[in-house]
Amino acid sequence: QVQLVESGGGVVQPGGSLRLSCAASGFTFSSYGMHWVRQAPGKGLEWVAFIRYDGSNKYYADSVKGRFTISRDNSKNTLYLQMNSLRAEDTAVYYCAKDPGPQGYYFDYWGQGTLVTVSS
Amino acid sequence: DIQMTQSPSTLSASVGDRVTITCRASQSISSWLAWYQQKPGKAPKLLIYKASSLESGVPSRFSGSGSGTEFTLTISSLQPDDFATYYCQQYNSYSLTFGGGTKVEIK
Repeated sequence: QVQLVESGGGVVQPGGSLRLSCAASGFTFSSYGMHWVRQAPGKGLEWVAFIRYDGSNKYYADSVKGRFTISRDNSKNTLYLQMNSLRAEDTAVYYCAKDPGPQGYYFDYWGQGTLVTVSS
Repeated sequence: DIQMTQSPSTLSASVGDRVTITCRASQSISSWLAWYQQKPGKAPKLLIYKASSLESGVPSRFSGSGSGTEFTLTISSLQPDDFATYYCQQYNSYSLTFGGGTKVEIK
């Protein structure tokens, strides 16, 4: 069965950095696109970033472009999100989510999420 | 970016009711729309993709319809497990965008 397990969340000061990881199992990780989606406390869902199955193409939400970097290591079945220049408005639960295909469409499996809190 | 607008934002209903949630896109997205259910403290769960295709394992009381700019999610007979928040999401173009959510509450 598909499993996605995020880690790396925590409390960080404004302007700081954090790297999230998502360990994938139960499917052929290298064949599927992967996403990060976030949800601020009490708010709705916001798509953050996508990476193609082979890492050759990446897309970002305008709100994180230039600050966040999505990457993947297919040999380790792991997805990453490097978050720099963090702001209070980046406080959210961050979910990794699997795409049903290689190119990027929607989210058929989700992890349990990891909480990132940006606060001084 | 394509804006997705859901209505209503909150809906009060009873077990057994037929429930309809509407999602409107700011421009045509063909049938590139998905619906998710989210319960408090949990990750979202995929219900419907390509506007009307039921995800495997999802009860048949859930159905989706629409194309272009107007879409609906219908629950034919609301069950206790269905009280949750529902989101639509377009995947016609990047950035991928969600509707604001519809909370289905117990009447």
